[in-house]
Amino acid sequence: QQQVKQSPQSLIVQKGGISIINCAYENTAFDYFPWYQQFPGKGPALLIAIRPDVSEKKEGRFTISFNKSAKQFSLHIMDSQPGDSATYFCAAVDSSYKLIFGSGTRLLVRP
Amino acid sequence: DVKVTQSSRYLVKRTGEKVFLECVQDMDHENMFWYRQDPGLGLRLIYFSYDVKMKEKGDIPEGYSVSREKKERFSLILESASTNQTSMYLCASNLQGYYGYTFGSGTRLTVV
Repeated sequence: QQQVKQSPQSLIVQKGGISIINCAYENTAFDYFPWYQQFPGKGPALLIAIRPDVSEKKEGRFTISFNKSAKQFSLHIMDSQPGDSATYFCAAVDSSYKLIFGSGTRLLVRP
Repeated sequence: DVKVTQSSRYLVKRTGEKVFLECVQDMDHENMFWYRQDPGLGLRLIYFSYDVKMKEKGDIPEGYSVSREKKERFSLILESASTNQTSMYLCASNLQGYYGYTFGSGTRLTVV
C-alpha cells in the first residue's frame, strides 16, 4: 500500500506561474515531511522540509503548506522558472528515520 | 563537498547473472539505504543498514541482498538478475538522529 500519495503525476506551467504539487499520508506517526528535487541523471536532493507542528514554511520561491488534521501537505513554487523543471518527490520520515516517498511529479516550466 | 558515490552509472547484465552494485560515502554516516526508482512508483526502499554488519529489510527486499563490511561502503547484490529488476538504483546515507539524506547519482541497471 502506498503510504504517501502524490499528485499530479505531471505538471506543465508557464514561466512566472505557480506550480502546486499535493501529497497525502495515512500514518500519523510520521514526524518530518521533506520535498526532494531530482534533475535528470542526478540523485534526489533535499529542497525544503517541514515538521507537523508548523502549518507553513517558506524558503525563497518554495513554500510548503501543511494541514495536519487533513493529513495533507503541498509544495508551491512561486514565479516558476524553466530551471525548476525537474521531478519532485514528497516524502515522510517515520520514527526509525526511514524515508518513504511519494510517486513523484514531473514538472515542466515552459519559457 | 560531501558525497555518496555509486560505482557505475550504467550497467547491462544478463538474466541469471550475480550483480553487485557498490556505494561509498565519505561523510562518516551511520545509516545507508538502497532504493530503486521506477516511473510512477517513486523510490521504494530495498534494504537499509544502521551500522556495520547490520541490515534491515525494506519494502521490496525479494531478490536482493546487501553487505556492509565497512562503515563507508554498502553493497547491493542481485543473486540472480531478472528482467523485472531493470531499474534505476539509488544509494543514500544519513547521520543517525538526523532527517537529511544524501543521495548518489544512481546506477541504471538493464537486465537482458
